[in-house]
Amino acid sequence: KQEVTQIPAALSVPEGENLVLNCSFTDSAIYNLQWFRQDPGKGLTSLLLIQSSQREQTSGRLNASLDKSSGRSTLYIAASQPGDSATYLCAVLNTGGFKTIFGAGTRLFVKA
Amino acid sequence: EAGVAQSPRYKIIEKRQSVAFWCNPISGHATLYWYQQILGQGPKLLIQFQNNGVVDDSQLPKDRFSAERLKGVDSTLKIQPAKLEDSAVYLCASRGGRVGWNEQFFGPGTRLTVL
Repeated sequence: KQEVTQIPAALSVPEGENLVLNCSFTDSAIYNLQWFRQDPGKGLTSLLLIQSSQREQTSGRLNASLDKSSGRSTLYIAASQPGDSATYLCAVLNTGGFKTIFGAGTRLFVKA
Repeated sequence: EAGVAQSPRYKIIEKRQSVAFWCNPISGHATLYWYQQILGQGPKLLIQFQNNGVVDDSQLPKDRFSAERLKGVDSTLKIQPAKLEDSAVYLCASRGGRVGWNEQFFGPGTRLTVL
């Protein structure tokens, strides 16, 4: 059974700092891994999607990596800003049944 | 391209009452998902449709929850009767094209409070 874990559960950093969010999964039989952002009271916004054959994806100040063999992904945020404050969720799409499993998220607070 | 639409955005009901949520996915997306997100947790899949057929409903509490996607487009999720523990945000998402090569797109969610 696929399990997705995100560490840390919460993070508070000063503005301008570079930071890394971690996501681990137990079953490497995945199609892709997707990182989402969720603002309070809102739905999920897709940030980056990494196919199982890929190692990383970049969008602006965000870089996501995937190491399928070790069951790990990281989301790197460069030069953090107060507007980055949100909950970041990772989700894997399993090859068996095409089910998506989410982690519990990392709540990020960037202080001005 | 219009996003995933959901309504209502908020709903407050008494326990044992019934409630229904509506979702209209992105045009052309064959796969539709309903998730339940309890405060402080990640979304949990309730049911997944491929066109108008159910792919996975293993985590749907079928004694009280039901969902349908009759024409393979929009979908409704119903709870009857509601319990206090059903208080959560219900998220609808859709995905199109070949399985595994497209992103999931989420609607804004419906926040349900059961009193």
